[in-house]
Amino acid sequence: AQKVTQAQTEISVVEKEDVTLDCVYETRDTTYYLFWYKQPPSGELVFLIRRNSFDEQNEISGRYSWNFQKSTSSFNFTITASQVVDSAVYFCALSEAKGSARQLTFGSGTQLTVLP
Amino acid sequence: AAGVIQSPRHLIKEKRETATLKCYPIPRHDTVYWYQQGPGQDPQFLISFYEKMQSDKGSIPDRFSAQQFSDYHSELNMSSLELGDSALYFCASSHDGSDTEAFFGQGTRLTVV
Repeated sequence: AQKVTQAQTEISVVEKEDVTLDCVYETRDTTYYLFWYKQPPSGELVFLIRRNSFDEQNEISGRYSWNFQKSTSSFNFTITASQVVDSAVYFCALSEAKGSARQLTFGSGTQLTVLP
Repeated sequence: AAGVIQSPRHLIKEKRETATLKCYPIPRHDTVYWYQQGPGQDPQFLISFYEKMQSDKGSIPDRFSAQQFSDYHSELNMSSLELGDSALYFCASSHDGSDTEAFFGQGTRLTVV
């Protein structure tokens, strides 16, 4: 069975600070995908990144960066120089690449509050 | 670019009533997924369809049913509504033959009173 753990329920930082959101996953599959989604107060799920299990290269996109470490089953997300607009719930998710299903298992989410 | 369209965006129903949520996938997407997100909870997978056939089933109550039509849109039918069914319902779509993620709609917020 798949499981995604986001141990940090809530994080508060002051604007311009860096913040790292942790994600640890469990799966028996050798092929899988990892995702991060942002859910602002308006409620929609905004896709941020997808990473497949064979690609351990870290990725940077503007102020966002992701650190995928298979050895520790972690896929952490860092926001550099945080801004108030980054305030949202962030979900890490896992999907097994099997058949036609891309069923996602979500973590419980981390509520990030960026204070001005 | 066209996105996943869900309707209605908001819905208020009374207990024991029936609700139908609709999802229109991105053009040429053949797979749809339904998720339920209760207040303060993470989204939970309900059910998915590929080429109009149910492809996977999650924690969908027996009071709920869903189908995918010939034009690939999907409907989630919910009967005998309970207060606990109040949630944000997301639909997502993907194209099975391509190596991309599933794209989410903006969700339907169902409130059962």
